[in-house]
Amino acid sequence: NAGVTQTPKFQVLKTGQSMTLQCAQDMNHNSMYWYRQDPGMGLRLIYYSASEGTTDKGEVPNGYNVSRLNKREFSLRLESAAPSQTSVYFCATIQGSSISNQPQHFGDGTRLSIL
Amino acid sequence: QKEVEQNSGPLSVPEGAIASLNCTYSDRGSQSFFWYRQYSGKSPELIMSIYSNGDKEDGRFTAQLNKASQYVSLLIRDSQPSDSATYLCALSSGNTGKLIFGQGTTLQVKP
Repeated sequence: NAGVTQTPKFQVLKTGQSMTLQCAQDMNHNSMYWYRQDPGMGLRLIYYSASEGTTDKGEVPNGYNVSRLNKREFSLRLESAAPSQTSVYFCATIQGSSISNQPQHFGDGTRLSIL
Repeated sequence: QKEVEQNSGPLSVPEGAIASLNCTYSDRGSQSFFWYRQYSGKSPELIMSIYSNGDKEDGRFTAQLNKASQYVSLLIRDSQPSDSATYLCALSSGNTGKLIFGQGTTLQVKP
């Protein structure tokens, strides 16, 4: 998807390992979001950032940390990976910082498996 | 009760038919409603948004919103095999832009 780039696209980890998922956008959007998608459960919000330097918890934040160091980048960190965190992770952005009627633009996703 | 509920399907329709996808929600304060299409192994793609009661048409797609009854639906006319995908209903409330998704309905359009 043009504008929202996620890296890596695939990753296999062992239980207890740590890693950071990267998301970068070049659309000058203010708000960024991290979701996870598990089979049959739709997307669930992990963390979001309304603007540079601010972050807030979503529905399923346990086991994750985030960092919004600048407007372009929003990273998601797993400090000690667990098999329950096996999922597809999507980053998304919205143009405004205080909006309720803007659609979100999604990256291509990171497919993460934890053994 | 889930905040956003969809029938997971699969919903199977013949090519050329109308596909009707439904979504109910529990939060009466929800303000914005979205339909995303997701092909297998791909990311969600926005196809419709609706904010006020009534119908909104865009090509072969019509979104319908009824806030009193707390449901939103998506009609796909002249369904094509390329419409076969999972359709995700999502809504937002407040001013954070956070989306709450349903589990998605899988649509199969058979030639």
